[in-house]
Amino acid sequence: GDSVTQMEGPVTLSEEAFLTINCTYTATGYPSLFWYVQYPGEGLQLLLKATKADDKGSNKGFEATYRKETTSFHLEKGSVQVSDSAVYFCALIRSGGYQKVTFGTGTKLQVIP
Amino acid sequence: GAGVSQTPSNKVTEKGKYVELRCDPISGHTALYWYRQSLGQGPEFLIYFQGTGAADDSGLPNDRFFAVRPEGSVSTLKIQRTERGDSAVYLCASSFSLGGEQFFGPGTRLTVL
Repeated sequence: GDSVTQMEGPVTLSEEAFLTINCTYTATGYPSLFWYVQYPGEGLQLLLKATKADDKGSNKGFEATYRKETTSFHLEKGSVQVSDSAVYFCALIRSGGYQKVTFGTGTKLQVIP
Repeated sequence: GAGVSQTPSNKVTEKGKYVELRCDPISGHTALYWYRQSLGQGPEFLIYFQGTGAADDSGLPNDRFFAVRPEGSVSTLKIQRTERGDSAVYLCASSFSLGGEQFFGPGTRLTVL
């Protein structure tokens, strides 16, 4: 079945550090890939997405590139802020009309001043 | 406009009891989804509706779980004979149409004693 594997947290970084959160996936066909973010006390929010190979999703300074050859969708940000502290979930939706989102286990990011 | 709302925000019940969890989607959204998030895990798909009908209920863990959406708007997730293993955060999401971005509610934290 479909699955998403992401690096375990927590990840602790100093402000302005470079962030990478690794994500790899297993799925039938060509899924769409997503990063969701959950800020403390809030619901899940879509951060960015990519729907086909080599697409780059970006939002709020975060980027991720859909790499079909390595089945990866790593999240990156060049300079993190304290306000980026949250739990980040990598996720996919299988192609072919499927609607259910398959999530990874989440990576908690803590940014310290 | 209001986002997805879920009630109650917290529910504590005893083993063997019946519970109902309510989801109010964003007005005009035709698709509605239920997920369950256990501690330290990512959300897991339970069921989704397109309009009033359950289009995919393959994620419901067993026949103690049932969901309805009688008028194509509000949905209720019903759990019979609750077990301690049902303790989790139950998330609801809605989208304008199938395949559209899913907007998540804050969740209902269910604790079965």
